[in-house]
Amino acid sequence: DGGITQSPKYLFRKEGQNVTLSCEQNLNHDAMYWYRQDPGQGLRLIYYSQIVNDFQKGDIAEGYSVSREKKESFPLTVTSAQKNPTAFYLCASGQGGVYEQYFGPGTRLTVT
Amino acid sequence: QKEVEQNSGPLSVPEGAIASLNCTYSDRGSQSFFWYRQYSGKSPELIMFIYSNGDKEDGRFTAQLNKASQYVSLLIRDSQPSDSATYLCAVNKWRNRDDKIIFGKGTRLHILP
Repeated sequence: DGGITQSPKYLFRKEGQNVTLSCEQNLNHDAMYWYRQDPGQGLRLIYYSQIVNDFQKGDIAEGYSVSREKKESFPLTVTSAQKNPTAFYLCASGQGGVYEQYFGPGTRLTVT
Repeated sequence: QKEVEQNSGPLSVPEGAIASLNCTYSDRGSQSFFWYRQYSGKSPELIMFIYSNGDKEDGRFTAQLNKASQYVSLLIRDSQPSDSATYLCAVNKWRNRDDKIIFGKGTRLHILP
């Protein structure tokens, strides 16, 4: 089955800990994206990558880091520097440019 | 002015009627336009995309684009209770490797049985 997978579905962490969210796609898409969704805030872009070994900051990159070592994978690390990490994190992929994006099922992160 | 604006709703529509969802955008250089459906607690699902002025139909869904007015809409015919969800309008402003889709905050649609 082609698609985008994110794991885990739910994640709980203590404040001060770094946590890495997984995103894998087998759609052969060049571009991958990370968004954060908070109630009433809509989707906000954290980081995106148009090609392996290259990525760009989105609108709210502070406190996050990414890597793109393989075309299929785009993990997101939420560091302890992120002030309000509790949110619904969504990974997406697409061909890039003017084309559409497809979303994974999301990871709900709770930090206490 | 917000880049992509939608009425937050809720928009209540009787079952079987036409639901009309509207969206305006600010960047005249925008090139592609998308509608996503998001059920509560789930991720967004792409339901329509449109690149050219005019209408695009897919089953019960019709997307309408008017670039001169910077306006895009989604019509849902024969609305069903399963259409109750939040609908996100999204606009691509890709240029010079700046590859971003800008999302509106969404309109909550409630289909009344």
